[in-house]
Amino acid sequence: DAGVIQSPRHEVTEMGQEVTLRCKPISGHNSLFWYRQTMMRGLELLIYFNNNVPIDDSGMPEDRFSAKMPNASFSTLKIQPSEPRDSAVYFCASSRGTRLGVRVVDSPLHFGNGTRLTVT
Amino acid sequence: QKEVEQNSGPLSVPEGAIASLNCTYSDRVSQSFFWYRQYSGKSPELIMSIYSNGDKEDGRFTAQLNKASQYVSLLIRDSQPSDSATYLCAVTPNTNAGKSTFGDGTTLTVKP
Repeated sequence: DAGVIQSPRHEVTEMGQEVTLRCKPISGHNSLFWYRQTMMRGLELLIYFNNNVPIDDSGMPEDRFSAKMPNASFSTLKIQPSEPRDSAVYFCASSRGTRLGVRVVDSPLHFGNGTRLTVT
Repeated sequence: QKEVEQNSGPLSVPEGAIASLNCTYSDRVSQSFFWYRQYSGKSPELIMSIYSNGDKEDGRFTAQLNKASQYVSLLIRDSQPSDSATYLCAVTPNTNAGKSTFGDGTTLTVKP
């Protein structure tokens, strides 16, 4: 189990530039989540996919943010144009449903190591 | 009111003591509850998951869930300095790939 793989680990860019963050979920997981973490706002859900389909993007701050999941093993989060207030740690996480008796419940999230984004 | 609220920290306990972390949630239909530990500069990692009312024990950790009171807690017995971290409570409203909402976290420091 290679875990959730994110790249790059660190990204420093200038305001106005395009930023692309990448994520490879754990094989077999059917849900993928993008979170953003800052000291002020904590861990915020930006968007999540189920079976490669975006289910809820209500957490995406504005149109400058977009996310795609072209297949089960890859997702991107793009910011264009970037702004200093986008500086944060961006986490990708994946999970799968777990059967508990007759119910299917959500299994825990497996987080990647995160991408620390700094926009100057 | 926040969807998930945790007791404000930081929390400091001496080594060997019991650390008690609390979390309340607002959505009554919540089904899945998780505690994550996050060391400084690292990503969150799962400590406990609980789905039914009552207690669930795993080693030094015990999660307690009371759906009627919309309350979930984490007890850490025999606290160790290595337990010093931020603990995040997460709640998922429904089954099958629902999104988790996180509390702001409680920072725990265990003093030797």
